[in-house]
Amino acid sequence: NAGVTQTPKFRVLKTGQSMTLLCAQDMNHEYMYWYRQDPGMGLRLIHYSVGEGTTAKGEVPDGYNVSRLKKQNFLLGLESAAPSQTSVYFCASSNQGSYTFGSGTRLTVV
Amino acid sequence: SQQGEEDPQALSIQEGENATMNCSYKTSINNLQWYRQNSGRGLVHLILIRSNEREKHSGRLRVTLDTSKKSSSLLITASRAADTASYFCATVDSGAGSYQLTFGKGTKLSVIP
Repeated sequence: NAGVTQTPKFRVLKTGQSMTLLCAQDMNHEYMYWYRQDPGMGLRLIHYSVGEGTTAKGEVPDGYNVSRLKKQNFLLGLESAAPSQTSVYFCASSNQGSYTFGSGTRLTVV
Repeated sequence: SQQGEEDPQALSIQEGENATMNCSYKTSINNLQWYRQNSGRGLVHLILIRSNEREKHSGRLRVTLDTSKKSSSLLITASRAADTASYFCATVDSGAGSYQLTFGKGTKLSVIP
């Protein structure tokens, strides 16, 4: 009954460092998404995937890369972190209806 | 850019009162969804209303959709302290094969015991 699991939950990076955020879903959903949420804002779409092996850019893709090698996993990578990427990151999956969200990763870039 | 605009940005009511939040959007939609986010937590899906529906109920929640005005409202009846959270509307555009959601900035609801 896990739903969508994000790891890690918290991370502090130095400017220029790289990291990968992992999202795993156990609902056999085709669609997966990465969003970021900044204070006082709704969620903004970074990248998404409509199936295994496919990815596409969302509203704010710059500075991020993604991969969907397995249907259940969607990885978000930051190659060279910048302070502007300090945010809370949410992964979600969908069956073309409602979404299921993970609990978020709070990332701070110093 | 963000699709929805929730109104008001913040709302404070007494327990037992009704809370109404409004959402306006810009494009032609397939469906509109409402989500709740407790402080520091992920989003929880509340209700989905399709473009050919005008009203939908789920427990103490009532959602209306007016596609001619490109607007929706969420009514929470008999509010409880546990309803304190931020509420977001989000839309799926017509013909969006990715079913991606576009979110508004949210309404922060405080229910005072």
